[in-house]
Amino acid sequence: QVQLKESGPGLVQPSETLSLTCTVSGFSLTSYSVSWVRQPSGKGPEWMGRMWYDGDTAYNSALKSRLSISRDTSKNQVFLKMNSLQTDDTATYYCTREDNYGGYSAGFAYWGQGTLVTVSS
Amino acid sequence: DIQMTQSPPSLSASLGDKVTITCQASQNINKYIAWYQQKPGKAPRQLIRYTSTLVSGTPSRVSGSGSGRDYSFSISNVESEDIASYYCLQYNNLPYTFGGGTKLELK
Repeated sequence: QVQLKESGPGLVQPSETLSLTCTVSGFSLTSYSVSWVRQPSGKGPEWMGRMWYDGDTAYNSALKSRLSISRDTSKNQVFLKMNSLQTDDTATYYCTREDNYGGYSAGFAYWGQGTLVTVSS
Repeated sequence: DIQMTQSPPSLSASLGDKVTITCQASQNINKYIAWYQQKPGKAPRQLIRYTSTLVSGTPSRVSGSGSGRDYSFSISNVESEDIASYYCLQYNNLPYTFGGGTKLELK
């Protein structure tokens, strides 16, 4: 079945770079796109960016200058790197996958368990 | 970016009540809206896609409707398992955007 799992450090120093890995199973990264979504405690989620199935990327303009998403299809992994972290980047970070029906997206149907990242010195 | 204005931010209901949450988009989203339930410490779970299509496993007392900019999500006959936060998501245009959430509590 479709599974996604995030991994990475739970604590990052201010001004440092966050590196997260999403390891997927049950589908191919060359057939489906994977997005990163983050959610500060008590707030709504925020779409950060996407690795398209063809290897292209798309980013939220609010984060574009700090964010990079890449992948290793041989390892079924998608990577997120975000630099210049500040305290308001403290959030739970999720990787997600959309479902498709008749060629149209059905929104984020599959989610990882999430990983809490705290930005603090 | 499309803004999703979700209301109310919180809702208090008794078991058996019907509750309704609304999301208004800043522009037409062509029915590309999904609704999610989230319990503390868990990832969001998709309940509805494309305005009104129930995802497998969603109870039939959940429903969605709307068009254009205005959408609603309802739970009839609220049960204890429905106590959670709910979010709308527009996926008509990138960047996909979520509503601010509604926290459903028991009265």
